[in-house]
Amino acid sequence: DAKTTQPPSMDCAEGRAANLPCNHSTISGNEYVYWYRQIHSQGPQYIIHGLKNNETNEMASLIITEDRKSSTLILPHATLRDTAVYYCIVRAPGKETSGSRLTFGEGTQLTVNP
Amino acid sequence: KAGVTQTPRYLIKTRGQQVTLSCSPISGHRSVSWYQQTPGQGLQFLFEYFSETQRNKGNFPGRFSGRQFSNSRSEMNVSTLELGDSALYLCASSRRGVHEQFFGPGTRLTVL
Repeated sequence: DAKTTQPPSMDCAEGRAANLPCNHSTISGNEYVYWYRQIHSQGPQYIIHGLKNNETNEMASLIITEDRKSSTLILPHATLRDTAVYYCIVRAPGKETSGSRLTFGEGTQLTVNP
Repeated sequence: KAGVTQTPRYLIKTRGQQVTLSCSPISGHRSVSWYQQTPGQGLQFLFEYFSETQRNKGNFPGRFSGRQFSNSRSEMNVSTLELGDSALYLCASSRRGVHEQFFGPGTRLTVL
């Protein structure tokens, strides 16, 4: 799995967009970018994933640069409940019988302030 | 639909004892993975099971073991507990062809 680099912490005002960057300069052609978040002492929660196109779901948007060496997770209207550690993970898709392993880095602690 | 459940949620043991943790995946999910989370080491992969077979293993000593049953439920066992085994143990389940993994709430193990 490719290594990722994220800032250790970020702050955001409630109601504003939170833009969380991730560098993955050694990403391979078949590797996806995944984002998970972990609210204090809970299990991680899947947010979104993408290969090369930008993706959007009800939680967030994922912008991947054309060279795929970096990406940005966007929470369009951050709320206090979005305060969490956000993990960017790069890995190849798993096979049916194996390959679910996720390698978590240290992530970004996002604090949403009122 | 019910999420991933883990039992017990909290556990206190003493050094040298052994412990068994249980994970029930989401119905229809056949892959179960286990992770250990500590303040010093972060989230680390323990092992992965599919169809009752261990498919992948992280860098943990043999004191850590697991198994999966025919109904996809999984257990992990830690023998001869050490103080450093105090951690949040997380279980995740997923199904074929789906990228998303679903995590349970974890079991908080404290070793005294």
